[in-house]
Amino acid sequence: AQSVTQPDIHITVSEGASLELRCNYSYGATPYLFWYVQSPGQGLQLLLKYFSGDTLVQGIKGFEAEFKRSQSSFNLRKPSVHWSDAAEYFCAVPEQGAQKLVFGQGTRLTINP
Amino acid sequence: DGGITQSPKYLFRKEGQNVTLSCEQNLNHDAMYWYRQDPGQGLRLIYYSQIVNDFQKGDIAEGYSVSREKKESFPLTVTSAQKNPTAFYLCASSIQRNTEAFFGQGTRLTVV
Repeated sequence: AQSVTQPDIHITVSEGASLELRCNYSYGATPYLFWYVQSPGQGLQLLLKYFSGDTLVQGIKGFEAEFKRSQSSFNLRKPSVHWSDAAEYFCAVPEQGAQKLVFGQGTRLTINP
Repeated sequence: DGGITQSPKYLFRKEGQNVTLSCEQNLNHDAMYWYRQDPGQGLRLIYYSQIVNDFQKGDIAEGYSVSREKKESFPLTVTSAQKNPTAFYLCASSIQRNTEAFFGQGTRLTVV
């Protein structure tokens, strides 16, 4: 079965610093991959998605992610974080043979002023 | 504006009572989903439906029921059989297999 691992439960960075959130997946073929963001008490918003082609994907709010097949990773990056980026971030991959997404456990991002 | 509407945003229920959470979408999506979110446990799939009048159990379906009589609507009933129903519930939809899911704003259910 597919699985998604986000190794970091909680990350704290200073405002203006760079950010990288890790995501590793297990999948039988080249997967579709997604990153979502969730502010407290809200639903999930899609940040970006990878289907095929260029392995560096640009998303909303200045985020990008790079698909690395050799490492089974799809890490999320941002060059300079803002206080408004404080939220929880989820990586997801579709389950093969089923129309549903498998989510990682999430990484909570805290921004220090 | 197209989107997914969940109601109510907050819901309180007495133990032993059934309660129904509403989810409506006007995105013309075929697939709809219900997730439960607890602190530190990410999202867990309760039920999903790929088409009207059809739905499948997810990973934690016990104590829950759903219906899909209309494409736009996918209500979730939390029954008295659900042992620990206090949680944040998220509804989502997607246009087809392997595409991104769009989420509602969630319903926070508290059993008192």
